[in-house]
Amino acid sequence: DAGVTQSPTHLIKTRGQQVTLRCSPKSGHDTVSWYQQALGQGPQFIFQYYEEEERQRGNFPDRFSGHQFPNYSSELNVNALLLGDSALYLCASSTTGNYGYTFGSGTRLTVV
Amino acid sequence: EDQVTQSPEALRLQEGESSSLNCSYTVSGLRGLFWYRQDPGKGPEFLFTLYSAGEEKEKERLKATLTKKESFLHITAPKPEDSATYLCAVTSGTSGSRLTFGEGTQLTVNP
Repeated sequence: DAGVTQSPTHLIKTRGQQVTLRCSPKSGHDTVSWYQQALGQGPQFIFQYYEEEERQRGNFPDRFSGHQFPNYSSELNVNALLLGDSALYLCASSTTGNYGYTFGSGTRLTVV
Repeated sequence: EDQVTQSPEALRLQEGESSSLNCSYTVSGLRGLFWYRQDPGKGPEFLFTLYSAGEEKEKERLKATLTKKESFLHITAPKPEDSATYLCAVTSGTSGSRLTFGEGTQLTVNP
């Protein structure tokens, strides 16, 4: 039973560049959420996608954008990277109305 | 705005030494309180969901309880493999389905 798959696992980018992170949800799940986790802190909600639309958004600037595809997979895009964007980016999937989220192992983004 | 505070920030136990982790929350209309375990460099792993005050759930050496203001994660006779960061999160009527996390408690169990 494949869980949530995220790629890449690690990424190093230069300040000002753009990055795209990818997520394949657990089989049977149709809702994808993205979280940012800075070192030593709890995850912070970025946004959630359902039926290819952004359903909820956290307190993140417009530099953070996303997309959900018809097969429920999702991408997180971050433009004009800042040093402070360095973090573990987590994808979580679930079924609509069910709060049983399954998390992926994350993408470790380092901005230099 | 939902708020979650976990204590202590870090806890060191000897193998077999039982203890409890605390999660205090402030929400408008709790929908669910969640406990997750997170190992270094990995994503959170789901442990429990609690929905109403008085509810309790158990899994192996872990037991989670819920009151109207806080939740406890009791660890009975811990083993070194229980070492991890334990995260508490809530969803509420105002936050929808988004999870609001605390900062976590880093647990170390020494053999």
